[in-house]
Amino acid sequence: AQTVTQSQPEMSVQEAETVTLSCTYDTSESDYYLFWYKQPPSRQMILVIRQEAYKQQNATENRFSVNFQKAAKSFSLKISDSQLGDAAMYFCAYFDGNKLVFGAGTILRVKS
Amino acid sequence: NAGVTQTPKFQVLKTGQSMTLQCAQDMNHNSMYWYRQDPGMGLRLIYYSASEGTTDKGEVPNGYNVSRLNKREFSLRLESAAPSQTSVYFCASSPPGRRGATNEQFFGPGTRLTVL
Repeated sequence: AQTVTQSQPEMSVQEAETVTLSCTYDTSESDYYLFWYKQPPSRQMILVIRQEAYKQQNATENRFSVNFQKAAKSFSLKISDSQLGDAAMYFCAYFDGNKLVFGAGTILRVKS
Repeated sequence: NAGVTQTPKFQVLKTGQSMTLQCAQDMNHNSMYWYRQDPGMGLRLIYYSASEGTTDKGEVPNGYNVSRLNKREFSLRLESAAPSQTSVYFCASSPPGRRGATNEQFFGPGTRLTVL
């Protein structure tokens, strides 16, 4: 079964600085998708960024980018120019074409 | 276009009571999902339905039943609630998974359930 591991229960970053959240996963598949979701205190799940495993180029969405290392099964999220609104729980997730498997999450705190 | 809606938003049950959580989506998605979220454990899949008329067990199906009533609606039933089922429940929907598509899941606002 696929598993997703987020080894950082909590991270802090100063406003305007850069922070990287880690994620590793385990799978025997070669074709799959990876996601980062943000969950603010409102509880709503918001998609931040996605990566298709068959694409070598790292995905980027404005201030959010990923470092996808397929051989190492690593999928980290980099947030540049951190803002107070980035404070939330962040979940890494693996999608096998049928269902999502989530990591335990990382709480990100942003200091002003 | 409401996206994914869930009812109720909050519920308190006594041990042994039954209830049904309702979920509906208006995005014409084939696939629908039920997750539970517990502190320190992320979201875990309870059941999913890849298309109307089909349902499959996820990671934690014990104590739950589901019904895919039609393409729009996917309900989750607790027949005899237990304190271990205290959690936040999320419904989600997505188009069929395929290469090149976004494969994004859209989530409802969640239901906070407490079983005493």
